[in-house]
Amino acid sequence: EVRLVESGGGLVQPGESLRLSCAASGFIFSDYAMNWVRQASGTGLEWISYIGRGGGFIQIADSVKGRFTISRDNAKNSLFLQMSSLTAEDTAVYYCGRDHPGPGDGVSDYWGHGTLVTVSS
Amino acid sequence: EIVLTQSPGTLSLSPGEGATLSCRASQSVTNNYLAWYQQKPGQAPRLLIYGASSRATGIPDRFSGSGSGTDFTLVISRLEPEDFAVYYCQQYGRPPLFGPGTKVEIK
Repeated sequence: EVRLVESGGGLVQPGESLRLSCAASGFIFSDYAMNWVRQASGTGLEWISYIGRGGGFIQIADSVKGRFTISRDNAKNSLFLQMSSLTAEDTAVYYCGRDHPGPGDGVSDYWGHGTLVTVSS
Repeated sequence: EIVLTQSPGTLSLSPGEGATLSCRASQSVTNNYLAWYQQKPGQAPRLLIYGASSRATGIPDRFSGSGSGTDFTLVISRLEPEDFAVYYCQQYGRPPLFGPGTKVEIK
């Protein structure tokens, strides 16, 4: 069974940093690209970042470029999102998603339950 | 950059009825890289359709996707009680982008 479990969310103050993790199991992690997607309360989905299977190809949304960094550790079946210079606009539930195999990047066929990040003073 | 528009914003229907949801792109979607997701309150999204018309694993055949270029459609042939949710389209060219969603609610 494919399982994705996010962790690392919490309450932080504006300007602070946070590192999210996503633990993967039930599939060969290194065979799949991965995504981060976020959703502010009561709003729609926003794709944040994509990382290729080996970590060599990365895409990141303009809204977080320069502040967020995606990475992965295939030996530990883990995906990460390093977030810095956080603002209230970054408050959201953050989901990791397994990228659907095949052409195209950024469509997630399995999702974690999400981790809530709240940026507030 | 592509902009996705979904219509209607809300669809009020009864179980057993059919639903037609639209997703329109401001420019042609590369290789029809268009997906549809279902999301229920408090849950993560669920992939329904990818490549505009291919059903994801385990998705019932009452869900079907069609379209190409800039106009795409998700049809739910007969609404089951569990189908009342928010539906998002997503283009997964570079960069990936979600539409604003259509809520399918019980009439």
